[in-house]
Amino acid sequence: EDQVTQSPEALRLQEGESSSLNCSYTVSGLRGLFWYRQDPGKGPEFLFTLYSAGEEKEKERLKATLTKKESFLHITAPKPEDSATYLCAVQAAGGSNYKLTFGKGTLLTVNP
Amino acid sequence: NAGVTQTPKFRVLKTGQSMTLLCAQDMNHEYMYWYRQDPGMGLRLIHYSVGEGTTAKGEVPDGYNVSRLKKQNFLLGLESAAPSQTSVYFCASKGAFFGQGTRLTVV
Repeated sequence: EDQVTQSPEALRLQEGESSSLNCSYTVSGLRGLFWYRQDPGKGPEFLFTLYSAGEEKEKERLKATLTKKESFLHITAPKPEDSATYLCAVQAAGGSNYKLTFGKGTLLTVNP
Repeated sequence: NAGVTQTPKFRVLKTGQSMTLLCAQDMNHEYMYWYRQDPGMGLRLIHYSVGEGTTAKGEVPDGYNVSRLKKQNFLLGLESAAPSQTSVYFCASKGAFFGQGTRLTVV
């Protein structure tokens, strides 16, 4: 059974204080690992997909990296508008349904 | 280009009532999904579809039915609503594109 564990559950940072969120996964062959941002009362907003170990992707202050067992979402010099819940999900290789298994998320709060 | 649109956005049902949630996408995607999101539980897959006329069960399908009569629409039905179905429901297409959610309360 595919499993995704995100840590920490909640993270509070000061503006400009860089940090990382972790996503550990167990899957029988990885097709893709997804990162989303979710604001209160909204649907998840797609950020990145990573497909193979060693891959990195960047978007503004966010950088996602992938190893064979985990992914990190690095946040450099965060701003208050980066406050949100960040979700990680894995898509298993094989089969034809492309369904995702989600972690429970990390609630990030950035204080000014 | 609306992306993924869910209707309604909010609904209150009485126990035993039925309702249908509609998801529409304009991106011509084959794959569509229905999730529920509950505090402390994360997003859990209810049902999904890999194309028009096809549906399959996800992780928590009991009490729900779905239909995909047209490629752009994916309907989620609650046959006899229960308080345990109080949740926020999200539709997604191709895994990456989510609607804004339907907040359902069953009293």
